[in-house]
Amino acid sequence: DAGITQSPRHKVTETGTPVTLRCHQTENHRYMYWYRQDPGHGLRLIHYSYGVKDTDKGEVSDGYSVSRSKTEDFLLTLESATSSQTSVYFCATGLINTEAFFGQGTRLTVV
Amino acid sequence: QQQVKQSPQSLIVQKGGISIINCAYENTAFDYFPWYQQFPGKGPALLIAIRPDVSEKKEGRFTISFNKSAKQFSLHIMDSQPGDSATYFCAATRYSSASKIIFGSGTRLSIRP
Repeated sequence: DAGITQSPRHKVTETGTPVTLRCHQTENHRYMYWYRQDPGHGLRLIHYSYGVKDTDKGEVSDGYSVSRSKTEDFLLTLESATSSQTSVYFCATGLINTEAFFGQGTRLTVV
Repeated sequence: QQQVKQSPQSLIVQKGGISIINCAYENTAFDYFPWYQQFPGKGPALLIAIRPDVSEKKEGRFTISFNKSAKQFSLHIMDSQPGDSATYFCAATRYSSASKIIFGSGTRLSIRP
């Protein structure tokens, strides 16, 4: 998994609570991504980063924020979790923008 | 807004047969088209990729066919094996520092013994 660690791997949380998912990489890759995977929708980009403190929105960014204060860590925060955010979240990294090495995923359930 | 459309959603193929998954894209600026393979409980992994300057790329039993004029590309798995059972995603992006990878909706492939 190209030295990518996602934490936690599983989480159950209540509606309205903030949640932070962490992606840690040891590859010194410039690019980092957060995707969510849902049946019938494939992989949808939430946010991505092309350098420390350089981030941009993806196609489903509403309700999510990210931060990247150092190369190895990319945090995804659900500001106020909703049931529609129940999903499997994948972090990916790449040395160049056409690469994406994925982590193992985090299964998030919002009840 | 779905920039990469993938079909079929699911596919069942007999062992030894040919599996074919199709994708179509809208943005003519895309210049890199990878395919990813995902096994249950794992993250997707790069399988094979193609640039639009070639019409076909083959790696072992896996072949990408590319039709630039039709804005379509497809994955062919020859002599399909039970171990090929997985979810496959096509994707598209540009060789640009600001570009991101856009994925199709995925195809769940099952190979029957």
